[in-house]
Amino acid sequence: EVQLLESGGGLVQPGGSLRLSCAASGFTFSSYAMNWVRQVPGKGLEWVSGISSGGTTYYADSVKGRFTISRDNSKNMLFLQMDSLRAEDTAVYYCAKSANWQIDYWGQGTLVTVSS
Amino acid sequence: QPVLTQSSSASASLGSSVKLTCTLSSGHSSYTIAWHQQQPGKAPRYLMKLEGSGKYNKGSGVPDRFSGSSSGADRYLTLSNLQSDDEADYYCETWDSNSWVFGGGTKLTVL
Repeated sequence: EVQLLESGGGLVQPGGSLRLSCAASGFTFSSYAMNWVRQVPGKGLEWVSGISSGGTTYYADSVKGRFTISRDNSKNMLFLQMDSLRAEDTAVYYCAKSANWQIDYWGQGTLVTVSS
Repeated sequence: QPVLTQSSSASASLGSSVKLTCTLSSGHSSYTIAWHQQQPGKAPRYLMKLEGSGKYNKGSGVPDRFSGSSSGADRYLTLSNLQSDDEADYYCETWDSNSWVFGGGTKLTVL
């Protein structure tokens, strides 16, 4: 059974940093692209960042230069380093697995709140 | 990159059927999409992958009441014999060279 478990969310001040983690299990992690998708409460889904099985990274324009996605295939872990955080980054962040590029599994999400 | 357009809301009666639409922008009419369901207070759930040909592959545990179809740039999700727990937000999603894209979502109300 595929499981994706996010951690690392919390309250951070504007301009601060936070590192999200996603522990993956139930599939061959190194073979699949992975993503971070966020959702402001009451709003729609917004893709944030993705990383291919080979390590190529992709970013939404809204986070480019501030967020860094990475993966550790030896530990089946996905990360999102978030720097220079802004109030508009406040959202639930989901870890998501892709198969043939479409997303096919979601984690339960972790809430990030950027506020002073 | 493609744009995915969805109606903001839809409604249908318990036990009836409803067809939700996701429209791909010009130049992207052949793209494969995925449909996802998000029930209130829950994480999204993958429903199916849907190709431009109309072929679809559902995720594990997705009921037979859910089906997909395509026509040109339109991708459809049909829910038959509507149940109360089908009341949810439904999102379409696709990928293009360097980014993933979501539609704005359709809020389905079961009357």
